[in-house]
Amino acid sequence: NAGVTQTPKFQVLKTGQSMTLQCAQDMNHNSMYWYRQDPGMGLRLIYYSASEGTTDKGEVPNGYNVSRLNKREFSLRLESAAPSQTSVYFCASIGTGRDTIYFGEGSWLTVV
Amino acid sequence: LAKTTQPISMDSYEGQEVNITCSHNNIATNDYITWYQQFPSQGPRFIIQGYKTKVTNEVASLFIPADRKSSTLSLPRVSLSDTAVYYCLVGSRGAAGNKLTFGGGTRVLVKP
Repeated sequence: NAGVTQTPKFQVLKTGQSMTLQCAQDMNHNSMYWYRQDPGMGLRLIYYSASEGTTDKGEVPNGYNVSRLNKREFSLRLESAAPSQTSVYFCASIGTGRDTIYFGEGSWLTVV
Repeated sequence: LAKTTQPISMDSYEGQEVNITCSHNNIATNDYITWYQQFPSQGPRFIIQGYKTKVTNEVASLFIPADRKSSTLSLPRVSLSDTAVYYCLVGSRGAAGNKLTFGGGTRVLVKP
């Protein structure tokens, strides 16, 4: 019963490098989300996907792109990483008619 | 989602009851109130959800007055392991597909 799985768990990037954070859920949920959480701060929504084939901007989308590859997978891409993107990234999902958001364990990203 | 307001932080001692109040003046008729708990270095997890009056589970109680413009999460006899950030979310049942944003949450520190 994996729930929401994120990879990688830890990553160090140099400024200007690109990378993709992967997220997969096995609960047949329609909606998926990417959040970032800076030290001592709350969660901020980056992008979300209400259903397969759709994506929408959240509160802080600049510098990111997303892909809803299929119903299970929702990836987050940093095209040119900046130190300001150093953060913990959480993927989450919620099913239609359900009220509980399920989160992954987080991906720690450091940009130097 | 309705905007919510919570205290930034609260301190308590082991064995005491902790009550966290969330204000949601613009709650809609079909909105539910859901609380999440986040431990350091982990994603948030569901604690409790309610619509009106009182809801209790093995972890907490949720008190919702008749006007539903606020709610109070009650943690009975807290222990050190209850130190966490607690988030209040207000949204319609079947919130999947919505732009789910979290506020800053309430940091609860339980002292020995």
